[in-house]
Amino acid sequence: NAGVTQTPKFRILKIGQSMTLQCTQDMNHNYMYWYRQDPGMGLKLIYYSVGAGITDKGEVPNGYNVSRSTTEDFPLRLELAAPSQTSVYFCASSYVTSGGYTQYFGPGTRLTVL
Amino acid sequence: AQSVTQLDSHVSVSEGTPVLLRCNYSSSYSPSLFWYVQHPNKGLQLLLKYTSAATLVKGINGFEAEFKKSETSFHLTKPSAHMSDAAEYFCVVSSDSNYQLIWGAGTKLIIKP
Repeated sequence: NAGVTQTPKFRILKIGQSMTLQCTQDMNHNYMYWYRQDPGMGLKLIYYSVGAGITDKGEVPNGYNVSRSTTEDFPLRLELAAPSQTSVYFCASSYVTSGGYTQYFGPGTRLTVL
Repeated sequence: AQSVTQLDSHVSVSEGTPVLLRCNYSSSYSPSLFWYVQHPNKGLQLLLKYTSAATLVKGINGFEAEFKKSETSFHLTKPSAHMSDAAEYFCVVSSDSNYQLIWGAGTKLIIKP
């Protein structure tokens, strides 16, 4: 199993450009998440999904969009990039059991908006 | 609403001495609690988790944490620090809905030779 994979690893955008951050998991997890991590801070939830076709906003959704057409993929779309979106973005997936749940993280995408 | 507070932004210890990273949480129910570690320019790795079983939880790399409901704490400890432990550590509490996680701001662990 590759686990959770993210592409690209690094990206520099100009203000107003758009891009899609890709996230794929091969663990057949129903739940998937997008977080951003700003310097010196913990993670903030952007969007999450509880299954294919179902998405919902997290704590900081403005400026982002997501879709979940398959169990495996959960892309994050940035429209009209702004310097405030400079951050490291992490995708995660999880399964739920009677003992609770654990989130597994991808390696992250470091995005700079200039 | 749930929240988590990591009481120290930085902790510095000498190699071979004990490590204590402090975490307090707030939750209206019995939460699941986690510690994650992030090495420089790396992703996030689960160290350990508490899910209402034993209150003393053992994790990877010699770390353990004790859940104390009366103190609403979940402090992370290790008897003897190693240079490879230098990293950022995050205390995390589960949300009461939709399996979201609430993250602390992180504690940077510095190991002195």
